Amino acid sequence: GDSVTQMEGPVTLSEEAFLTINCTYTATGYPSLFWYVQYPGEGLQLLLKATKADDKGSNKGFEATYRKETTSFHLEKGSVQVSDSAVYFCALLAGGTSYGKLTFGQGTILTVHP
Amino acid sequence: GAGVSQSPSNKVTEKGKDVELRCDPISGHTALYWYRQRLGQGLEFLIYFQGNSAPDKSGLPSDRFSAERTGESVSTLTIQRTQQEDSAVYLCASSLGWGRVTLDTQYFGPGTRLTVL
Repeated sequence: GDSVTQMEGPVTLSEEAFLTINCTYTATGYPSLFWYVQYPGEGLQLLLKATKADDKGSNKGFEATYRKETTSFHLEKGSVQVSDSAVYFCALLAGGTSYGKLTFGQGTILTVHP
Repeated sequence: GAGVSQSPSNKVTEKGKDVELRCDPISGHTALYWYRQRLGQGLEFLIYFQGNSAPDKSGLPSDRFSAERTGESVSTLTIQRTQQEDSAVYLCASSLGWGRVTLDTQYFGPGTRLTVL
């Protein structure tokens, strides 16, 4: 079945450091890929997405590129801020589905210190 | 505007009791999803509603779990005879429910944390 594997956390960085959170997936067909973020005390919200190979999703300084050859969708940001402290989830939507049944990774906790 | 709301935010119950978890989706959203997140794990899909019908119940873990939805409004997830392994955060999401599925953003509620003693 479909699955998503994220790098284990927690990840602790200093402000302005470079961030990478690894995500790899297993899926039949051609899935769409997503990163969701959950800030403290808030619900999950969509951060970025990519719907086909080589697409790059970007938002709020975060980027991720859909790499079909390595089945990966790593999240990157060049300079993190304290306000980026949150839990980040990688997710996929199986190709050919007609509704949004998402498969999630286990989440990575990011803490950014001043 | 108002987002997805869930109640209660926290629920502690004794093993064997029944619990009801409520989700109020964003007004006008026809699609509604329930997910479960156990400690240290990702979100697991439970059930999907389109309107008040549930085309996909494949994620419900056992027949102790059931869900219903009134029209395109409130949904209730019921767990009967709770077990300790039911302890988790239960998340609800809603979306417009039409058009290209990859453009149909799901909006998540804050979740209900269920603890079964």
